Amino acid sequence: TQLLEQSPQFLSIQEGENLTVYCNSSSVFSSLQWYRQEPGEGPVLLVTVVTGGEVKKLKRLTFQFGDARKDSSLHITAAQPGDTGLYLCAGPKTSGSRLTFGEGTQLTVNP
Amino acid sequence: GAVVSQHPSRVICKSGTSVKIECRSLDFQATTMFWYRQFPKQSLMLMATSNEGSKATYEQGVEKDKFLINHASLTLSTLTVTSAHPEDSSFYICSARLGSANYGYTFGSGTRLTVV
Repeated sequence: TQLLEQSPQFLSIQEGENLTVYCNSSSVFSSLQWYRQEPGEGPVLLVTVVTGGEVKKLKRLTFQFGDARKDSSLHITAAQPGDTGLYLCAGPKTSGSRLTFGEGTQLTVNP
Repeated sequence: GAVVSQHPSRVICKSGTSVKIECRSLDFQATTMFWYRQFPKQSLMLMATSNEGSKATYEQGVEKDKFLINHASLTLSTLTVTSAHPEDSSFYICSARLGSANYGYTFGSGTRLTVV
């Protein structure tokens, strides 16, 4: 069973639309991190959320950490073709433990 | 920011040969590095944790003798795929972290291995 359930797995939208990606778990995480990966490249860290209920904004991207630190969401406003990529949520159970990844969300933004 | 350099980016080898992949932390020391494998359209799967000066810790189901890991210095970890077979073809990625896992991880650019 997957420790981090990410949904949806695939998302194809038109430029200008909004979208939300979810990352859920039954376990508590020390933090949750969001990465974006392009084909043939390694993942790049977008944000880390540490405090339950925390909300972070990165231009058109809004990240939220659930109050119980078991889930997180990524919301993109007015998506652009450049947002296309594989979005991965990941988290360590404790501050010193290894990273567990969700299954990923493949986002395609069509012009 | 922390940079992890991974080489080569692509390699094609014949069945039965060995391939070495290098992962270097360029501007920081990494006592621990992580090696992942990724299949097309899938997420990252942790293979092993590389520890400087000691043996690597392998995940369940990963063959230690098949995937040799060496972490001889604070800035270099290597993964050697021994006696490669076509089923070993995959995207291999290394990563390291600066401090607490909560700070996030830095990933190498990955190595596309094709075994023919």
